[in-house]
Amino acid sequence: NAGVTQTPKFQVLKTGQSMTLQCAQDMNHEYMSWYRQDPGMGLRLIHYSVGAGITDQGEVPNGYNVSRSTTEDFPLRLLSAAPSQTSVYFCASSLQGQTEAFFGQGTRLTVV
Amino acid sequence: DAKTTQPPSMDCAEGRAANLPCNHSTISGNEYVYWYRQIHSQGPQYIIHGLKNNETNEMASLIITEDRKSSTLILPHATLRDTAVYYCIVRVANNNNDMRFGAGTRLTVKP
Repeated sequence: NAGVTQTPKFQVLKTGQSMTLQCAQDMNHEYMSWYRQDPGMGLRLIHYSVGAGITDQGEVPNGYNVSRSTTEDFPLRLLSAAPSQTSVYFCASSLQGQTEAFFGQGTRLTVV
Repeated sequence: DAKTTQPPSMDCAEGRAANLPCNHSTISGNEYVYWYRQIHSQGPQYIIHGLKNNETNEMASLIITEDRKSSTLILPHATLRDTAVYYCIVRVANNNNDMRFGAGTRLTVKP
């Protein structure tokens, strides 16, 4: 059981470039979400999904797009990378209800 | 979701109990208290959660005051591997996606 898998683990982008951070889970979880964590701070919610075809904005959605075409995958797309998006990105998934969330190991993104 | 307040850092001797406090004075009746921890720069790991009763699992115990305005996470026999940042989160029932992480408490377990 792989849990939540994020790729890549590390990425360096130039300002203005676009890229997609991948997140996949094999636990048949309805809920998936993306967080970013800046140095010395807690995680902040970017976007989330309560099921295939349904997405919504979190606390800091600007500059990011998401889609949920399947239950398993929830990619996060940076449209035009900016240095302010330098951060560690975490994907999480969970079942509906009062359950624990499972987090991936993170993608460390640097925008130069 | 209710705001939580945690001390920024705590130390604990190896083998002793670590008691991590959390204040959530504005918690609503349908909000649960969750605890997660983050070791180094890994993804957060779920520890325990509760509504109003005390809870215990293989990792920790959660003590919630009767008025639910504060709680304490107890690691009964802390080890060096418990060194991490611990987050106390309150969230509305069935709102899995909106967990508001604060800065947490950095627990350092010392030999």
